[in-house]
Amino acid sequence: SAVISQKPSRDICQRGTSLTIQCQVDSQVTMMFWYRQQPGQSLTLIATANQGSEATYESGFVIDKFPISRPNLTFSTLTVSNMSPEDSSIYLCSVPSAGGFNEQFFGPGTRLTVL
Amino acid sequence: GENVEQHPSTLSVQEGDSAVIKCTYSDSASNYFPWYKQELGKRPQLIIDIRSNVGEKKDQRIAVTLNKTAKHFSLHITETQPEDSAVYFCAASIKDSSYKLIFGSGTRLLVRP
Repeated sequence: SAVISQKPSRDICQRGTSLTIQCQVDSQVTMMFWYRQQPGQSLTLIATANQGSEATYESGFVIDKFPISRPNLTFSTLTVSNMSPEDSSIYLCSVPSAGGFNEQFFGPGTRLTVL
Repeated sequence: GENVEQHPSTLSVQEGDSAVIKCTYSDSASNYFPWYKQELGKRPQLIIDIRSNVGEKKDQRIAVTLNKTAKHFSLHITETQPEDSAVYFCAASIKDSSYKLIFGSGTRLLVRP
């Protein structure tokens, strides 16, 4: 499976500010996914980041709040904008397996606390 | 919309006993069903998966069964060990993309020594 890293691993931010989370993969992948995991909850897909095109957002998530960049096939960023305490979550990126199968592998996550 | 229901939310078993976690999905077009294990403070780890053309798959102490007619799939862990204690999530692929997953709500498994 791919080696996936995220930065930062955790952060504490003030409300009204923005945080950009980076996801780096050690191999080229066509799709990257961003998930949110609220405290004690399951994983919810935020958006799919495609290289060379706009990200595709799931219901309940909008580009103004969660802008995504995908400058190349190994890297993506997710920005959490104008944060409120309700944005306190773990944010994870994931990538499909290199073999073109359905398997997805997750990055280590970014634990965000908004005060 | 698509939905995956998972039960139970918590499960406590004695070491050596078996554990079963069940999921139901709503989208009849779903064709891929992975299971993830998430230990405290760690990322979700894929432990086993099954595709719609297979009814059962086994990997050592872990097995998954799929009933497409009933839209049910289950995770079976035999001879449980304390290190099996974690939160387990089932997921199902979404019809418009075989790579997009919708997750169940999770089961917190506690294996008592």
